[in-house]
Amino acid sequence: NAGVTQTPKFQVLKTGQSMTLQCAQDMNHNSMYWYRQDPGMGLRLIYYSASEGTTDKGEVPNGYNVSRLNKREFSLRLESAAPSQTSVYFCASSVQGVNTEAFFGQGTRLTVV
Amino acid sequence: RKEVEQDPGPFNVPEGATVAFNCTYSNSASQSFFWYRQDCRKEPKLLMSVYSSGNEDGRFTAQLNRASQYISLLIRDSKLSDSATYLCVAFAVDTGRRALTFGSGTRLQVQP
Repeated sequence: NAGVTQTPKFQVLKTGQSMTLQCAQDMNHNSMYWYRQDPGMGLRLIYYSASEGTTDKGEVPNGYNVSRLNKREFSLRLESAAPSQTSVYFCASSVQGVNTEAFFGQGTRLTVV
Repeated sequence: RKEVEQDPGPFNVPEGATVAFNCTYSNSASQSFFWYRQDCRKEPKLLMSVYSSGNEDGRFTAQLNRASQYISLLIRDSKLSDSATYLCVAFAVDTGRRALTFGSGTRLQVQP
């Protein structure tokens, strides 16, 4: 049971570099999400995709882009990384909307130096 | 002001104690509520949903007070394995956004 798989688990970037965080779920879920977690801030929604083919901004979308490649995959791209983007990133999915349980990936620990 | 607020703790309690966490939410359009548990350096996992009538799952009881806009979680007979951060979560459909809003979490440390 893979559930939600994120790659990579750890990454160090230099300021200005770009990278894509990958996320895939094998539970046939419609909705997928990207959150970031910072000390004292809790999880904050970056972007979400309610269904295949749609994406919407969350609370903190600046500096990020997303692609819902197909029903299984939802990627998060940092075009020009900044130290303020140092965080733990979680991908999550749920069956439909969020009245149901959201399942999370194991997280990506990103450090921007 | 955060949409979902929690006391960060830590709550340090002995094994066997009863401990309660409260959480307040500011968005009156919030429709659904949950408690998630997050172990250190791990992903959050659903502990339980919170229903208006209150609900119980073993040693855990969750309550919702819509009039006062707060949610509570009661843990009875605490175990060492209950040590974790407990995240209060609300879901609202407003301004077109349909996603979970998380509190910052309350840390619980159960001591032998």
